[in-house]
Amino acid sequence: GENVEQHPSTLSVQEGDSAVIKCTYSDSASNYFPWYKQELGKRPQLIIDIRSNVGEKKDQRIAVTLNKTAKHFSLHITETQPEDSAVYFCATGGGNKLTFGTGTQLKVEL
Amino acid sequence: DAGVIQSPRHEVTEMGQEVTLRCKPISGHDYLFWYRQTMMRGLELLIYFNNNVPIDDSGMPEDRFSAKMPNASFSTLKIQPSEPRDSAVYFCASSFGRVGNTIYFGEGSWLTVV
Repeated sequence: GENVEQHPSTLSVQEGDSAVIKCTYSDSASNYFPWYKQELGKRPQLIIDIRSNVGEKKDQRIAVTLNKTAKHFSLHITETQPEDSAVYFCATGGGNKLTFGTGTQLKVEL
Repeated sequence: DAGVIQSPRHEVTEMGQEVTLRCKPISGHDYLFWYRQTMMRGLELLIYFNNNVPIDDSGMPEDRFSAKMPNASFSTLKIQPSEPRDSAVYFCASSFGRVGNTIYFGEGSWLTVV
């Protein structure tokens, strides 16, 4: 089955700095790559996604890049704010289900 | 729409007892997923349904776990008998169509087995 590795497991940045989270996957058939944000005690919620026919997608302060050849994709958050503090999960999809990475605990410090 | 609705939100039960978790997907969604979240194993897909039919249950840990979807608006995940290692947050999620459309999660059911 699909294997998704996510790094780093924890990330601490100063407010205003950028944060980058990276994921690698194994299944070349994967064609959908969403990112979810989970605040403490809450449900995971989709923040951005990208499909395999696109190399980059941006939505305000967040962006995702995809390198299908190397089988990796990354989440970029610029101008981080305290409310960005949460656990971020990458996922890959091919067919009917998603496989999630292990999560990154992002802490934005004042 | 109220989103994916799960119950109970929190449950504490004794080892050996039966636990039933319930889920109402978003109206019109044809895929329903059950995930389990723990610190050690992250988010694991247990089983998913398409049009009320179980498609892949390879993530169900063992025979103590079972899931049903008797109609398009209701699903259950049952653990019998429960064990302390089943303590986790169980999320139900739903989507419309194949992967590539957003999967929406419920609030989760926080299960503690003592």
